[in-house]
Amino acid sequence: RKEVEQDPGPFNVPEGATVAFNCTYSNSASQSFFWYRQDCRKEPKLLMSVYSSGNEDGRFTAQLNRASQYISLLIRDSKLSDSATYLCVVNIGGYNKLIFGAGTRLAVHP
Amino acid sequence: EADIYQTPRYLVIGTGKKITLECSQTMGHDKMYWYQQDPGMELHLIHYSYGVNSTEKGDLSSESTVSRIRTEHFPLTLESARPSHTSQYLCASQGTGIANYGYTFGSGTRLTVV
Repeated sequence: RKEVEQDPGPFNVPEGATVAFNCTYSNSASQSFFWYRQDCRKEPKLLMSVYSSGNEDGRFTAQLNRASQYISLLIRDSKLSDSATYLCVVNIGGYNKLIFGAGTRLAVHP
Repeated sequence: EADIYQTPRYLVIGTGKKITLECSQTMGHDKMYWYQQDPGMELHLIHYSYGVNSTEKGDLSSESTVSRIRTEHFPLTLESARPSHTSQYLCASQGTGIANYGYTFGSGTRLTVV
């Protein structure tokens, strides 16, 4: 079983739609959680950290469920520019090395 | 804006050549990482370092080697390039403190071995 699992998609949604991505992780000792965004042929960039209480940044909302070892990302009012791959990222071990999920592809169409 | 730099951005080289991919960061981060990523595929960790003179192999076996003689510099070397080494190589660094655990990535080196 992979340490971080994501639905690979692709999710094809129209502009203005709300879309949610899910991610599960296997290490119950993980403490830090992130969502990264990667555009085609570019480097991953930090989208947002995920906090225990859940957090929101504009149209993006991240949730963490430690009991189920589950992280989610909700995107409201999707824009064409949101088209990218979204990577779920979890820390592991004492040195806080990060484990990247394989990513979920989102395609927003007009 | 980026504080982590990779050179070259693109490299086309013949089989059997020795190459070094450069990665430098100006943030004073102790932890640095090298990932390999093929188009449309997931990231694979190939090397990492937790400080000067510390290097470890990652999850994906790689014929490359790394060195960490200075905090800011983490070069990756292929002694004899092969077509199977064609890929994108991404370098990342990581800060300390819970607010800084996220990785910052360089722009990558896209390597083609012909």
